Amino acid sequence: QSALTQPASVSGSPGQSITISCTGTSSDVGGYNYVSWYQQHPGKAPKLMIYDVSNRPSGVSNRFSGSKSGNTASLTISGLQAEDEADYYCSSYTSSSTLDGFGTGTKVTVL
Amino acid sequence: QVQLVQSGAEVKKPGASVKVSCKASGYTFTGYYIHWVRQAPGQGLEWMGVINPSGSGTNYAQKFQGRITMTRDTSTSTVYMDLSSLRSEDTAVYYCARGNIVGAIKKRTFDIWGQGTMVTVSS
Repeated sequence: QSALTQPASVSGSPGQSITISCTGTSSDVGGYNYVSWYQQHPGKAPKLMIYDVSNRPSGVSNRFSGSKSGNTASLTISGLQAEDEADYYCSSYTSSSTLDGFGTGTKVTVL
Repeated sequence: QVQLVQSGAEVKKPGASVKVSCKASGYTFTGYYIHWVRQAPGQGLEWMGVINPSGSGTNYAQKFQGRITMTRDTSTSTVYMDLSSLRSEDTAVYYCARGNIVGAIKKRTFDIWGQGTMVTVSS
């Protein structure tokens, strides 16, 4: 059972900005600055897009940004492009070492 | 380059066990935690557990305790995930993923992923 809640789907037109939320508790998202985001295209392994709430790994477009407020983290994709169509998952450190820390996943559709 | 290469697809009968391997290269094997994550067809990601390749300590998700064993072979830079008493619900793609530096907090940040191993459980 996933610990973090995400919207099932988000859509936008090319060039627009969209935001995906990831809601947890004070035991995970709200308690630590260790939220990460992953992009997954069909049939492919996930790819790290954001770590430690708002940091981008080398090579990830600056159109991707992350933030956090209270128990909710967010991923914003600006200047939406066709290649951004994918599934996105958040993940957070959790104070329980035995609990799952992934979000439920969000399908992003570019209209 | 830094990479994780997993073993090939498996087909198993209910009640059997499966052992998936994950070979690391391009970095110091004992320097980073290795996690296992699975994804059932059409479903989301599910964290299974983590191993410390340096000292072989493990943490398993509550859901899998008693059925899962993670081991490592430092001579070949390979981590193994053994799942027993397989049932149809275990049909999934299994990924290994590199986590944080050993000794640091086990935050769920995975920067390198294996290509995935499809495990099918069917009679």
